[in-house]
Amino acid sequence: QQQVKQSPQSLIVQKGGISIINCAYENTAFDYFPWYQQFPGKGPALLIAIRPDVSEKKEGRFTISFNKSAKQFSLHIMDSQPGDSATYFCAASMDNDMRFGAGTRLTVKP
Amino acid sequence: DAGITQSPRYKITETGRQVTLMCHQTWSHSYMFWYRQDLGHGLRLIYYSAAADITDKGEVPDGYVVSRSKTENFPLTLESATRSQTSVYFCASRRVNTEAFFGQGTRLTVV
Repeated sequence: QQQVKQSPQSLIVQKGGISIINCAYENTAFDYFPWYQQFPGKGPALLIAIRPDVSEKKEGRFTISFNKSAKQFSLHIMDSQPGDSATYFCAASMDNDMRFGAGTRLTVKP
Repeated sequence: DAGITQSPRYKITETGRQVTLMCHQTWSHSYMFWYRQDLGHGLRLIYYSAAADITDKGEVPDGYVVSRSKTENFPLTLESATRSQTSVYFCASRRVNTEAFFGQGTRLTVV
């Protein structure tokens, strides 16, 4: 069973718009929730991460919102740029385990 | 060079052959992971390791074997390759529950 569910599968946004990707997890033992960005032909790279003791974390144009009671978290990309076009993965992690969502292919149109 | 490296980058093998994918990291990270990436499935965990000589199964371990005799190396072996194992394989490493660093991936084609 998939422990992390991610939506949407693909997303098209105009330049300057807001991109929103949502994730939900099952296991309440997860205590670290990173988002990874992946460009074609490359490995995933950490974009931003949050721990469950905070409800929001912002780094530049990227914000994670976290709802512990609902077991959901989301990534918001403000002022989306064509260079943000990539595949985004949410993940849920504990010490020796890290599970990913199925990914969202984001396209930002100029 | 510091970092995490995978080899080979590309591999074509025949059904039934044994193939080993290599992963090496220079940070002495305790935790290492193997994932496969397939369209529509994202990254699925094959095996993970908390330390040398400690490994455990992930979501999709069938048909794969791992070993970890040294902290820095975590090879993945397909004992008898099948076409369904055609995929891109990523190795990752990290310290306890922090950012994971990924290799560049190995694109494996089983014909």
